[in-house]
Amino acid sequence: AQSVAQPEDQVNVAEGNPLTVKCTYSVSGNPYLFWYVQYPNRGLQFLLKYITGDNLVKGSYGFEAEFNKSQTSFHLKKPSALVSDSALYFCAVRDGQGAQKLVFGQGTRLTINP
Amino acid sequence: DTGVSQNPRHKITKRGQNVTFRCDPISEHNRLYWYRQTLGQGPEFLTYFQNEAQLEKSRLLSDRFSAERPKGSFSTLEIQRTEQGDSAMYLCASSSSGVLYEQYFGPGTRLTVT
Repeated sequence: AQSVAQPEDQVNVAEGNPLTVKCTYSVSGNPYLFWYVQYPNRGLQFLLKYITGDNLVKGSYGFEAEFNKSQTSFHLKKPSALVSDSALYFCAVRDGQGAQKLVFGQGTRLTINP
Repeated sequence: DTGVSQNPRHKITKRGQNVTFRCDPISEHNRLYWYRQTLGQGPEFLTYFQNEAQLEKSRLLSDRFSAERPKGSFSTLEIQRTEQGDSAMYLCASSSSGVLYEQYFGPGTRLTVT
């Protein structure tokens, strides 16, 4: 069965500094990987996805993620953090063997300090 | 805006009562998903529909839970004889067919069972 791990419950970064939110995955087939962001009292917003191709994926709001097959990782990155990036971030995986559901990590709370 | 909508946004009920939630997906999406999210956790898959057919159900979906999508458009999720453990955010998502497509989430219905 597929699974996702987000090893950090919380990440604190100073505004203007680069940020990384970590994610590792386990699937039996080809991984389809996603990042979502959740603001308070709101649903999840799609940020970006990796399906195939270039290992560096660009998404919304200046975020990007790097797929690393050998390390089974899909870390979310942004070169310069904004205070408005403070939110809860979820990594998710869908097994390419036909599964339709998303399996989510437990989430990482990102706080950007002014 | 033609995003995913959910009603009601909040529901407070007494233990033992029945509740029903509604989800209206993005109109051109034929897949619809239900997830449950408890505090501090990532969303957990409950069930999904392709058009009106319910194709997968999680073990989390006990016999007190039932979901329908009668005409392949909106969906309802009913919980009978609610328990305090049912208190959670219930999220609906929709997507186009195929593993390449991301799921778009609604704002959720927060259920509190007293």
